[in-house]
Amino acid sequence: GQQLNQSPQSMFIQEGEDVSMNCTSSSIFNTWLWYKQDPGEGPVLLIALYKAGELTSNGRLTAQFGITRKDSFLNISASIPSDVGIYFCAGGYSGAGSYQLTFGKGTKLSVIP
Amino acid sequence: DTGVSQNPRHKITKRGQNVTFRCDPISEHNRLYWYRQTLGQGPEFLTYFQNEAQLEKSRLLSDRFSAERPKGSFSTLEIQRTEQGDSAMYLCASRYTLATNTGELFFGEGSRLTVL
Repeated sequence: GQQLNQSPQSMFIQEGEDVSMNCTSSSIFNTWLWYKQDPGEGPVLLIALYKAGELTSNGRLTAQFGITRKDSFLNISASIPSDVGIYFCAGGYSGAGSYQLTFGKGTKLSVIP
Repeated sequence: DTGVSQNPRHKITKRGQNVTFRCDPISEHNRLYWYRQTLGQGPEFLTYFQNEAQLEKSRLLSDRFSAERPKGSFSTLEIQRTEQGDSAMYLCASRYTLATNTGELFFGEGSRLTVL
C-alpha cells in the first residue's frame, strides 16, 4: 500500500520561532491535506491542497503541494503555545471511483514558552 | 454543533465482548469513512460508504468487524469477540462528493476502545 514518510517525528521549539515539517511519498497523490490532532480528539483540518505547485495559507500556516505530487510541506510562522499538538499530512488519491486518505505518522510539536 | 458526532467517546470492555460505535456525519455529506488509529500512528483506513452502500473495505477489517449505514445517514461499527489488539481510537469522517473524487474529510472526535 501507499506509504507516507513524515518528518520530523517530533520537535521542540521556542515560542515565536517558525516551524517546518514535510511529507514524502513513493506514490503520487492528487490531494494533500494537513490536520492537527490534540490528545484524545479527532484530527482537525488545517489546509487542503488540490494542484501540484499550489501554495496555500491559513493564518500563520502555509502549505505547498509539491510539483512531483509526491510531497508536501507545512510551515507555521511565529509559533504560539496553542500550536502544540500532532500534525498529520494526508494524501488523497482517487481511482476507479474510490477516494480515501493515507496518513503519515505525524509530527509532534512542543512549544516552549 | 453540526460536525461529525461519535459515541460513545470511551469504551472499556473485556476481551471477548462485542462493542458497537455510532457515527452521525455532517448532514449533507454522502460519504462516510471509518478509520482506526493506534498510539503513535496516523489514522488507517477501514471502510467507507457512499449513502447506504459500503464501497470499499480495508484488509484491516477482519471478519469480526462489521459496519453498516442502513439509511444513508448514521453508521455503526461493530466489533465482535473483541481482542486486546482491537484497542485503538476509532475515527469517523464524512465528506460530500460531487462529480470529482477529491476533497477534505471531516473527522469526529473519535471513540476510544480499551480491551482488557
